[in-house]
Amino acid sequence: EVQLLESGGGLVQPGGSLKFSCTASGFTFRSYGMSWVRQAPGKGLEWVSSMSGTGETTKYADSVKGRFTISRDNSKNTLYLQMNSLRVEDTALYYCAKRSAGGSFDYWGQGIRVTVSS
Amino acid sequence: SYVLTQPPSVSVAPGKTARITCGGNNIGSKSVHWYQQKPGQAPVLVIYYDSDRPSGIPERFSGSNSGNTATLTISRVEAGDEADYYCQVWDSSSDHVIFGGGTKLTVL
Repeated sequence: EVQLLESGGGLVQPGGSLKFSCTASGFTFRSYGMSWVRQAPGKGLEWVSSMSGTGETTKYADSVKGRFTISRDNSKNTLYLQMNSLRVEDTALYYCAKRSAGGSFDYWGQGIRVTVSS
Repeated sequence: SYVLTQPPSVSVAPGKTARITCGGNNIGSKSVHWYQQKPGQAPVLVIYYDSDRPSGIPERFSGSNSGNTATLTISRVEAGDEADYYCQVWDSSSDHVIFGGGTKLTVL
């Protein structure tokens, strides 16, 4: 059974930093691209970042480029998101998602809440 | 950047057919994926590659994609289908993932 378990998150002041992780099980982690998708309170889904299975390729949404860094440790089956220079508008539920070969997100974590507020 | 347009809401009576559209420039040339999200839950993939269903998704869910519109069709709608639905594509020009704004399906 595929499982994606996020950890970390919490409350941080504007301009602050936060890093959280997503630990995967039930599939060959290194063989699949992984992504972060967020959802602001009462809003729709917004893609944040993606990383290839090997970690060689990364992509970022324009709204987070230069501030967020996606990474992975295939030896620990874990995906990370380092968020710097946080803004109030980064407040959201952040989902870890497994990317299928066809480009859809076939499995999602339960989400981790990030609140940016003074 | 590429934009996907969905109606904010769709209402349907139980047992009837719901159609949720996703509009985009020449979207028929892209692969469209659909997600269902119930309140307080993570999204669930219900259609991939325009019209394929993951295992465990009822046959009542189907999809099509042509021209400038992709459509998610839910036949014989049940109360449990009430949820937000999102379409998604990969935009090759920007190499970014794009989500539609979402459609709230209400079962009357």
